Amino acid sequence: DAMVIQNPRYQVTQFGKPVTLSCSQTLNHNVMYWYQQKSSQAPKLLFHYYDKDFNNEADTPDNFQSRRPNTSFCFLDIRSPGLGDAAMYLCATSRDLAGTDEQFFGPGTRLTVL
Amino acid sequence: GNSVTQMEGPVTLSEEAFLTINCTYTATGYPSLFWYVQYPGEGLQLLLKATKADDKGSNKGFEATYRKETTSFHLEKGSVQVSDSAVYFCALTPPTGRRALTFGSGTRLQVQP
Repeated sequence: DAMVIQNPRYQVTQFGKPVTLSCSQTLNHNVMYWYQQKSSQAPKLLFHYYDKDFNNEADTPDNFQSRRPNTSFCFLDIRSPGLGDAAMYLCATSRDLAGTDEQFFGPGTRLTVL
Repeated sequence: GNSVTQMEGPVTLSEEAFLTINCTYTATGYPSLFWYVQYPGEGLQLLLKATKADDKGSNKGFEATYRKETTSFHLEKGSVQVSDSAVYFCALTPPTGRRALTFGSGTRLQVQP
């Protein structure tokens, strides 16, 4: 089945230690998104790629970076995680940027910062 | 700006009860409207959507009608099951400009046997 895969499902890191979260997709979609979801809150968009074009949300901290080396893979890098960065990180894809396009979500990576 | 307002939860119902989760939105023009569901420990799944006024989205017994006059997209199900226990998010994408999803705060539904 075509799907969005996130690895690992659970990640523990130490305060200030860089961490990378991974997302891959078999849908061949043009757009890939990263969301941050804190406990009992709505997902918040961090950035998205349309093909190789990177689009950062205005309020995304500089501590968060992303890479998309090819259509299938997208990475979220947190350069110096703080306690406030503990959250579920959701990757999503869509075929295009049309507002009617469904976004397909992965299962998420739960990040714990010690 | 765009925003989505959902009724606060948790909503606790007995099995086979009728469900309504209210959702209203603020946006210019005709946004596309979505309901996503998040089961415990999982990512979000699209439940249903409507892309123009008076459209009705439906899936797995759930329905929602796009009401432009009341800027609403309320989620309904006639008979809930324990397996419907989850968090439900109402969301929109605007008709023009940046097409990112704007989510409501989510409503937790708990269905008791």
